Amino acid sequence: AQSVTQLDSHVSVSEGTPVLLRCNYSSSYSPSLFWYVQHPNKGLQLLLKYTSAATLVKGINGFEAEFKKSETSFHLTKPSAHMSDAAEYFCVVRIGGGGNKLTFGTGTQLKVEL
Amino acid sequence: DVKVTQSSRYLVKRTGEKVFLECVQDMDHENMFWYRQDPGLGLRLIYFSYDVKMKEKGDIPEGYSVSREKKERFSLILESASTNQTSMYLCASSLSAPGAYEQYFGPGTRLTVT
Repeated sequence: AQSVTQLDSHVSVSEGTPVLLRCNYSSSYSPSLFWYVQHPNKGLQLLLKYTSAATLVKGINGFEAEFKKSETSFHLTKPSAHMSDAAEYFCVVRIGGGGNKLTFGTGTQLKVEL
Repeated sequence: DVKVTQSSRYLVKRTGEKVFLECVQDMDHENMFWYRQDPGLGLRLIYFSYDVKMKEKGDIPEGYSVSREKKERFSLILESASTNQTSMYLCASSLSAPGAYEQYFGPGTRLTVT
């Protein structure tokens, strides 16, 4: 069965420092993986997706993620955090079947401090 | 841009009431989904639909039903609301095309059952 595990429920960084949000996946076949962001009282917005093309995926707002099959990881990074990055981030894997269902990690709350 | 709208941002209902949550998408997507979001649990799939009048149970369908009479509209029904259904409800839609697995989310409805 396909699943994702977000290793940190809360991450705190200073503005201008790098961001690393960790995600490990479990999949019996080549997975499709996503990162979504949710700002307070908003719906989820797609940051980036991996669907078996390039292993380094670039997304919006300067975020990127690297698919590492040997480590079953799909960590999200950004070189320099901005205050507006404070939000909750979800790692997501496609579980297939009818309707192309997705399964979501439990989320990582990113706090950005001055 | 894909737009998914939900009928209410905030809703307060009493225990035992019948509750309707409406979702509309404007991009002719085949698939539509209802999730509930609770702190620390991520998003959990309630029901999804891959075509008009077609529906399948997700991970937590108990206490809920759905209706999809038109392609663009997907309704979630709480037959008799209970306090444990107080939550954030998110609607999403997606294409069925191979590789187009990402889902697009509405802003959410925060439901409180008293």
